[in-house]
Order: sequence, then structure tokens, then C-alpha cells
Amino acid sequence: QVQLVESGGGLVKPGGSLRLSCAASGFTFSDYYMTWIRQAPGKGLEWVSYISTSGSTIYYADSVKGRFTISRDNAKNSLYLQMNSLRAEDTAVYFCANYEGDYWGQGTLVTVSS
Amino acid sequence: EIVLTQSPATLSLSPGERATLSCRASQSVSRYLAWYRQKPGQAPRLLIYDTSNRATGIPARFSGSGSGTDFTLTISSLEPEDFAVYYCHQRSGWPQTFGQGTKVEIK
Repeated sequence: QVQLVESGGGLVKPGGSLRLSCAASGFTFSDYYMTWIRQAPGKGLEWVSYISTSGSTIYYADSVKGRFTISRDNAKNSLYLQMNSLRAEDTAVYFCANYEGDYWGQGTLVTVSS
Repeated sequence: EIVLTQSPATLSLSPGERATLSCRASQSVSRYLAWYRQKPGQAPRLLIYDTSNRATGIPARFSGSGSGTDFTLTISSLEPEDFAVYYCHQRSGWPQTFGQGTKVEIK
């Protein structure tokens, strides 16, 4: 069955970096546009980033532009989010999902705190 | 950025009642509007995409309607698992955006 499994979350100090991974299985990953979406504790959903099937088209939310980098490795069925210059307001559960929204991972928690 | 405003913030209803949730966009999103249900501690689940299409496995009690800037999610008869938070989501333009959510709670 379809599975998306995020990893790489954790506690990091302000200004630090973290790399999230999302491992896909049960579907042809290379055929799907992918996104990252986050949810701060007790808050709503915030779209973060999008990547096309080949990686040639990428979009970011203004709140992360210039600090986060989305990428993918279709040979490894994996999606990534490199997060630099992290701020307290980046604290959230980060979900990977396909563009259509019918496949979601369980999320990985990122906490930015000193 | 397209702002999505959901109303009401909270809906208090009993099982078996009808729920009507609204989502208004700050500019037209054509028909590229989706609805999700999120239970505590879980990832959101897609209910409706492109305004009115039910996602795979979603029961017929869920229906969506609207176009342009005004959209509605209707749950014809609330089941226990429907007491949750609902989000609308537009993918008409970049950045994609979500509404702030409507919580459907047991009255």
C-alpha cells in the first residue's frame, strides 16, 4: 500500500540546520509532484514547498524562501527538505504529501529552541 | 497570496445532524478547491478535490459545491468520526494556501 514516511525531525537551536527526508513506497514516486506542508503546535496547516516530478519546477512559501530547499531523488523514491537558518516560528510537524493531497505521511516534529 | 477564510470557526452539532462549512477566497480559485478532515494526532485526509469530487473511499455523505470565491462542504448526517477539524485548500495559484480551519464539535 501507499506509504510516505518522514524522518529527520528533532530539536535544533535557532540559526541551526536540519534535513528532513520522506521515503515513498507503494506508488510510482517519479510520476508524482510532491509538497511539504507544516503545522505549528495547535495551529492550522501551512503549505511550505512544491517540487515537480523532475525537480525542474520548485515553489516556496514566502516564510521559508531563501532558507529552505526542496529536492528529490527519484532513484531512491525520496523527497527532502533542507532547512537552514531555522527560527522559533519554524517549530511544527512537517508532513510530506503528493500534490493532489491524497497521500500524506505521518509527519515529523521539528522544534527550534535554545 | 490568496487568503481563504473559513466559517464558522466552530460548529456545535449532534450526531445525525447536517453540517455546512463555508470557505471564501480573496480572489477566484476557479474550481481548484479541496477539503480535508483532520483528527487529533493524525495527518489530514483528503475528502473533496476540485470543488465537488469525492476522493477515493470517501462516503457519499460528504459533498462539495461552489465556484470562484465561495465554496461549501456539506456533511449530510454526522457520524462520530466526523467530529474533527476541517480545512479548505486552494491550488489555483502560488503559494498554495489553506483556510484557518473549522472545528466540528459534539453539542
